[in-house]
Amino acid sequence: AQSVAQPEDQVNVAEGNPLTVKCTYSVSGNPYLFWYVQYPNRGLQFLLKYITGDNLVKGSYGFEAEFNKSQTSFHLKKPSALVSDSALYFCAVRDEDAGGTSYGKLTFGQGTILTVHP
Amino acid sequence: DTEVTQTPKHLVMGMTNKKSLKCEQHMGHRAMYWYKQKAKKPPELMFVYSYEKLSINESVPSRFSPECPNSSLLNLHLHALQPEDSALYLCASGQRGGRNEKLFFGSGTQLSVL
Repeated sequence: AQSVAQPEDQVNVAEGNPLTVKCTYSVSGNPYLFWYVQYPNRGLQFLLKYITGDNLVKGSYGFEAEFNKSQTSFHLKKPSALVSDSALYFCAVRDEDAGGTSYGKLTFGQGTILTVHP
Repeated sequence: DTEVTQTPKHLVMGMTNKKSLKCEQHMGHRAMYWYKQKAKKPPELMFVYSYEKLSINESVPSRFSPECPNSSLLNLHLHALQPEDSALYLCASGQRGGRNEKLFFGSGTQLSVL
């Protein structure tokens, strides 16, 4: 079964500093990895998706993610944090298509609360 | 239009009530999803519809009954719920494959069961 783990429940950074939110994965085939963000009282918003062959993936709002196959990691990064980045971040993995028209199941990690202090 | 619209935003119901949650998207997505989310926890998949047919049911109790009347609409019918069913119910739709693969989520229905 596919799974992702987010080892940190909470990450605190100062505004202007770089931030990293960690994610490790376990998959049996090709990794279909994603990052989503959830602001209070809202649904989830897509940030980025791993594309095979791209070790650094760029996404929305200045976020990027670094894929490392040897460490089975897909960490979310941003060079300079903003207070408005404070939110709940989820790493997610999709299972491989069963083929045909079937859409796969997206499974989320436990989430990391990011707090950016002014 | 890149929105998934969910109604109602808030719902309070008793354990003997019958209610329905509604979800609508006009992005032409052929996959639609129901997720359940407790506070500060990850969303848990309940159902997946693919081309208006139920393709995944994550062993959800029968007091939750999904329905996909057409490619733009997704309903979740609720009957005889328990207090532990109180949660944020999220609808999502998506397109599969390639660089554009992503799920679009609605803002959810906050359900309280008394």
